[in-house]
Amino acid sequence: QVQLVQSGAEVKKPGASVKVSCKASGYTFTGYYMHWVRQAPGQGLEWMGRINPNSGGTNYAQKFQGRVTMTRDTSISTAYMELSRLRSDDTAVYYCARGAAVALNWGQGTLVTVSS
Amino acid sequence: SYVLTQPPSVSVAPGQTARITCGGNNIGSKSVHWYQQKPGQAPVLVVYDDSDRPSGIPERFSGSNSGNTATLTISRVEAGDEADYYCQVWDSSSDHPEVVFGGGTKLTVL
Repeated sequence: QVQLVQSGAEVKKPGASVKVSCKASGYTFTGYYMHWVRQAPGQGLEWMGRINPNSGGTNYAQKFQGRVTMTRDTSISTAYMELSRLRSDDTAVYYCARGAAVALNWGQGTLVTVSS
Repeated sequence: SYVLTQPPSVSVAPGQTARITCGGNNIGSKSVHWYQQKPGQAPVLVVYDDSDRPSGIPERFSGSNSGNTATLTISRVEAGDEADYYCQVWDSSSDHPEVVFGGGTKLTVL
């Protein structure tokens, strides 16, 4: 069965960077886009972007352009999302999700807390 | 950018039918997907491409999409359906194609 297993919770200071990983199994990693979506406490879902694991090509939400970098390592079926210049309002649960225009399966989420 | 509008909350008694709407400009021309999210859990896809159900999703969940409104319908509502529901589209109309989510609707089972 499809599984997306994300890295553990992180606590970062303002201005720092965070890199979250998402290890895929149960399907051909290069066959499906990987999205990154975040959810601030008590808020809705916010799309950050997606990566094509086959080509490495990316689409980023305009809000995060210049601050987010999505990469992948096909040898270990893992996608990464790095967010830089963190602010307190970046505190959220970050999800990876498999799919093209629709998120078919989701990771368990990674809580990133930004606090001084 | 494209905007999807959902009612913040919908309430329904057990056994009744819940309808959650998702409004957007000419949304009928796009494919709409719906997710269910229970507290402390990741979202789960319940309807995709307007009206299709992933395997394992009960037939009680259905969807429609026309004009400026898409609708998720949950028949014979159960207590376990209480959750937040989000609609989503892929907007490719601009130079920056993107996933767009609605603001979410909290379904309360009375």
